[in-house]
Amino acid sequence: DTAVSQTPKYLVTQMGNDKSIKCEQNLGHDTMYWYKQDSKKFLKIMFSYNNKELIINETVPNRFSPKSPDKAHLNLHINSLELGDSAVYFCASSVPGQGANYGYTFGSGTRLTVV
Amino acid sequence: AQSVTQLGSHVSVSEGALVLLRCNYSSSVPPYLFWYVQYPNQGLQLLLKYTTGATLVKGINGFEAEFKKSETSFHLTKPSAHMSDAAEYFCAVSDRTGFQKLVFGTGTRLLVSP
Repeated sequence: DTAVSQTPKYLVTQMGNDKSIKCEQNLGHDTMYWYKQDSKKFLKIMFSYNNKELIINETVPNRFSPKSPDKAHLNLHINSLELGDSAVYFCASSVPGQGANYGYTFGSGTRLTVV
Repeated sequence: AQSVTQLGSHVSVSEGALVLLRCNYSSSVPPYLFWYVQYPNQGLQLLLKYTTGATLVKGINGFEAEFKKSETSFHLTKPSAHMSDAAEYFCAVSDRTGFQKLVFGTGTRLLVSP
């Protein structure tokens, strides 16, 4: 009965590869997010979708492409992986415009290591 | 643009001592304020939040925080630290309107010694 689930939990891959991280939430939330946590633990938003529509697109390399097939899923595809992409990627969801009142729910993270 | 400053990347306390983690924000209008905790190799868990009303908010695990508009601060406290409190703590802000993306501080690692 996990609320926000991410797969895989760990991902080790070589430079230049293409990989995807999947996120699913069963909370009925309309808004989903991707956050990146770097090696210094700094968390920064990358993207946000509301009901399959992209609403936040921070300054992120074009190699990162989010896809939301439905409001319960938000996937992150990364092309031509680079060493600097190594990080922990967190998915989160919230009720649109009500994240503060009803809370943001985070997944447990995907630790991506590029070698 | 909103920003959050957490003073001290590391805070060390003894078990039973007072915990004080500092957070100051910058925002053109009072934002919503949050504290999250991250245990090793885990996701983020909401400790407490301030939206409206009483400026002293109580959260889980005995933590509380006070919103001080005049000081633009939202410091996190706990009267008596427990070994299990050792973790990374993040202060965050969001707009009161719109899609309310969270903007995080750089985090403070709390170390608790016996």
